[in-house]
Amino acid sequence: AQTVTQSQPEMSVQEAETVTLSCTYDTSESDYYLFWYKQPPSRQMILVIRQEAYKQQNATENRFSVNFQKAAKSFSLKISDSQLGDAAMYFCAYRVQGGSEKLVFGKGTKLTVNP
Amino acid sequence: SQTIHQWPATLVQPVGSPLSLECTVEGTSNPNLYWYRQAAGRGLQLLFYSVGIGQISSEVPQNLSASRPQDRQFILSSKKLLLSDSGFYLCAYDAQGNYNSPLHFGNGTRLTVT
Repeated sequence: AQTVTQSQPEMSVQEAETVTLSCTYDTSESDYYLFWYKQPPSRQMILVIRQEAYKQQNATENRFSVNFQKAAKSFSLKISDSQLGDAAMYFCAYRVQGGSEKLVFGKGTKLTVNP
Repeated sequence: SQTIHQWPATLVQPVGSPLSLECTVEGTSNPNLYWYRQAAGRGLQLLFYSVGIGQISSEVPQNLSASRPQDRQFILSSKKLLLSDSGFYLCAYDAQGNYNSPLHFGNGTRLTVT
């Protein structure tokens, strides 16, 4: 079964510092897609960044970037220059190309940003 | 533009009462539709997904059911609520056949069963 593991239930970071959230997944597939979602206290789910497994270049969206290590099945999220508004639950998700189309989510990491 | 509407935002229901949560999508045709539940401080649990009208797949056996009477309408129901049904329910959609398409979520319904 496909699984996504986020080994850090909680993380904290000082404002303006950098933090990395880890995510690993288990698959035997070669073509798939990876996503990071953010859920702030409002509970709205917001897409942060996505990565295609066939692309070697790590995705970047402003202060958010990923470190995609396909061989290690690792997909970590780096947040640079952390802001108070980054405080949220972060979920890693995975979908197989040509599969059932369902996203498989990790259990999430709660990020606290300290002023 | 594509939007997703989910209602109600908050609901308090007694044990044993029925439930109906509704979700509609605008601006896209033939989307995949999903119902997720999130218990307090926990991750997302996929309850149901649908790839077309009348096509419902259940992920977790329970007293909830889902229906898709129209292409862009997805309904979550229960005949008799249990205390354990309390939680935060999220509807979501994405583009069928596009594996790079992210899920777009509604604003959620906070259900409290008393």
